[in-house]
Amino acid sequence: QSVLTQPPSVSAAPGQKVTISCSGSSSNIGNNYVSWYQQLPGTAPKLLIYDNNKRPSGIPDQFSGSKSGTSATLGITGLQTGDEADYYCGTWDSSLSAFVFGTGTKVTVL
Amino acid sequence: QVQLVESGGGVVQPGSSLRLSCAASEFTFNIYAMNWVRQAPGKGLEWVAVISHDENNKYYAESVKGRFTTSRDNSKNMLYLQMDSLRAEDTAVYYCVRGFGGYKGYFDYWGQGTLVTVSS
Repeated sequence: QSVLTQPPSVSAAPGQKVTISCSGSSSNIGNNYVSWYQQLPGTAPKLLIYDNNKRPSGIPDQFSGSKSGTSATLGITGLQTGDEADYYCGTWDSSLSAFVFGTGTKVTVL
Repeated sequence: QVQLVESGGGVVQPGSSLRLSCAASEFTFNIYAMNWVRQAPGKGLEWVAVISHDENNKYYAESVKGRFTTSRDNSKNMLYLQMDSLRAEDTAVYYCVRGFGGYKGYFDYWGQGTLVTVSS
């Protein structure tokens, strides 16, 4: 069982915006940086957001991240069919001395 | 272009051992922490282990602690995962992943993965 909780799925029409929540606790999100990963079907995951809200080179600004307390949020604007994927949050858990991933969220473009 | 290439996966029986390797190239391997992350068929991501750049720090998921051991050879740019006492629930694609920001950091580059199937 993951210690980070995400909604199983979110969906929206092309061009619209979706947000994905990631809920944790003080031992993980509350005191450590959050990163987000995109996994397109049949491929390895890819880093989307690091240090709560920073985008690696090459990641478009349609993706954004934020953190407040023990929760984090990934936002995707201008939704395209190519954004259909599974999205995972992740962070270090100081109590477990382990990296933990969220349960994952499937994004569907209607 | 950072490259991480895993090898060593296959089909093994419960209780047996397997060693995975990861060949790293196109970056200075000995200054980065390295991780193993796995994904069971149709399931989410599960972090397995991390090893610091100098091997001084190693951490494992509870599910593999005492059975799996990670190591590295900085002279060869190689990462390893020794898996003993394998169980059916260890069946997964195993990814070699570079860690940025130390052993608590995020994962900036991923290999393509190698499939391990534990079945009788």
